[in-house]
Amino acid sequence: EAGVAQSPRYKIIEKRQSVAFWCNPISGHATLYWYQQILGQGPKLLIQFQNNGVVDDSQLPKDRFSAERLKGVDSTLKIQPAKLEDSAVYLCASSLGSWLTGSHTEAFFGQGTRLTVV
Amino acid sequence: AQSVTQLDSHVSVSEGTPVLLRCNYSSSYSPSLFWYVQHPNKGLQLLLKYTSAATLVKGINGFEAEFKKSETSFHLTKPSAHMSDAAEYFCVVSDLGSSASKIIFGSGTRLSIRP
Repeated sequence: EAGVAQSPRYKIIEKRQSVAFWCNPISGHATLYWYQQILGQGPKLLIQFQNNGVVDDSQLPKDRFSAERLKGVDSTLKIQPAKLEDSAVYLCASSLGSWLTGSHTEAFFGQGTRLTVV
Repeated sequence: AQSVTQLDSHVSVSEGTPVLLRCNYSSSYSPSLFWYVQHPNKGLQLLLKYTSAATLVKGINGFEAEFKKSETSFHLTKPSAHMSDAAEYFCVVSDLGSSASKIIFGSGTRLSIRP
């Protein structure tokens, strides 16, 4: 079974530039998550999709971050404009179940995109 | 709302000795609990999970964890540490039955193994 694919693996940009990350979840997984992991900290949930609908984006800085999941499969996360404090690893994960289906399985994670803002 | 606290940011043990990584959780509903491991420059890998079945859960690489509802704990243990166990470990909580259900990570415990 193919895992969660993310690209690019690394990205270096200057502050105030824009950047986009792409995620392809495991086939058939309805739930998709984007996490931000700052060095030395645990992953923080940015946004959670159930199919192509947003379940939770309470911690997404909506003035600069946006995400979409067209057709309920692939997802993109965008930052515009980037700030120095956005330097982090951005993790995408997917899972088969969700609270909507009454079950919860573990999340499978991609390798992440390491973003450096200079 | 869910929350999870990992009581130690860094644990160092000698190779061949027991490992104990501590985790306490808070959940309004019946939680699912997980331990993930993250090796340097690698993705997060599931070690084990508790989803309201047996309270003692066995995972990969000899790790196990016990769900104790009365103590709201889910500590991770291993009888004998190996050098390859050196990594960052995350305790994770999630619960069903809530429209705000989401997967919440602890801050992580870095496990170091001394030769």
